[in-house]
Amino acid sequence: DSGVTQTPKHLITATGQRVTLRCSPRSGDLSVYWYQQSLDQGLQFLIHYYNGEERAKGNILERFSAQQFPDLHSELNLSSLELGDSALYFCASSALWRGGTDTQYFGPGTRLTVL
Amino acid sequence: GESVGLHLPTLSVQEGDNSIINCAYSNSASDYFIWYKQESGKGPQFIIDIRSNMDKRQGQRVTVLLNKTVKHLSLQIAATQPGDSAVYFCAEKLSGSARQLTFGSGTQLTVLP
Repeated sequence: DSGVTQTPKHLITATGQRVTLRCSPRSGDLSVYWYQQSLDQGLQFLIHYYNGEERAKGNILERFSAQQFPDLHSELNLSSLELGDSALYFCASSALWRGGTDTQYFGPGTRLTVL
Repeated sequence: GESVGLHLPTLSVQEGDNSIINCAYSNSASDYFIWYKQESGKGPQFIIDIRSNMDKRQGQRVTVLLNKTVKHLSLQIAATQPGDSAVYFCAEKLSGSARQLTFGSGTQLTVLP
């Protein structure tokens, strides 16, 4: 158990809908990262938040957004869903110590199925 | 349309043998590397990491080797066990302010009884 929690575990929805995925980082970790894992793209970085502020964006679609709250949990919002958005979505957290390594620990993921 | 999955390299080893999983990373400016293990239906699990100022690091039953000259990373697993069967990913992090990881495509390790 990495200490990172994600809910829900599974999500089935229809095209055009909007969903919210939730992540709680390990105790004390200030950084949260979101990744998408699909069959044809592997693990792709989406976005990074540090202590409530967005720090970096990767291959995140404009239909997707995220935020990190004062209690450090994070939510990934996916809207106008398309069939191709079906994937596993992982959250990871790290301590992000300045000058040190910042190993990322992954949650169990949310499997999103868009029908 | 038809969904085409990633063609994962596969490695099959006999239980008790040593395994070597290889990874070619892409960016010479990467300064930190991690190996993850992912079992079916689970999130990537941290195995071992190495910084670019090292060329070898050992953990419990695992060793990571880094060759910066050819941008190559390997994971050695000693006395491979059935529980080691999984997909193994290497990941790299660029030096500087970017903290996100770039993952390789993974290797499927199967341990034969």
